[in-house]
Amino acid sequence: DQQVKQNSPSLSVQEGRISILNCDYTNSMFDYFLWYKKYPAEGPTFLISISSIKDKNEDGRFTVFLNKSAKHLSLHIVPSQPGDSAVYFCAARNTGGFKTIFGAGTRLFVKA
Amino acid sequence: NAGVMQNPRHLVRRRGQEARLRCSPMKGHSHVYWYRQLPEEGLKFMVYLQKENIIDESGMPKERFSAEFPKEGPSILRIQQVVRGDSAAYFCASSPDGITDTQYFGPGTRLTVL
Repeated sequence: DQQVKQNSPSLSVQEGRISILNCDYTNSMFDYFLWYKKYPAEGPTFLISISSIKDKNEDGRFTVFLNKSAKHLSLHIVPSQPGDSAVYFCAARNTGGFKTIFGAGTRLFVKA
Repeated sequence: NAGVMQNPRHLVRRRGQEARLRCSPMKGHSHVYWYRQLPEEGLKFMVYLQKENIIDESGMPKERFSAEFPKEGPSILRIQQVVRGDSAAYFCASSPDGITDTQYFGPGTRLTVL
């Protein structure tokens, strides 16, 4: 029962271009969404989040967009840098819940 | 400014042995979460603990797995009579309170069962 889906296992982008990572969810009770970044042999690190009352949140080169009607969110990285190469996990939770449900991750390669 | 610490980083066990994974949360954090990541999969929630209390263990397998977070000392995830299918990366995360949006993850323990 995959409540959070990242259908692209990998993505390759040229340095300086935009990276768009997508995520779909099925549980309409989710009201908080997060993106985590993970390098090999390290734990995930929090990147950016968005509440369901918003449709966009921006932090520097990172922007997350939320489309509640489509149950879809995306992470935009612009401009992409080689240091952005990592696995990106989409995650979701509902207010008052303790579980954070993670997607399977998308491996981003940024080519110099 | 130590982050979440996990040890050991790598653990090798033979089938039937016990595995003990330790997690020290960030200073000031009293909420601990354990996740498991199987190869090519995302992180799966296992258990959420506060000091001396298990709050949500709905992601824990019913048998052989247990977790604790004592008043003093690290949180422990214990796996008894390990099987090959237990081989995975186990991540611990902590937060200052249970409703905060940000969980801070440790580097993980990679368990290999021979």
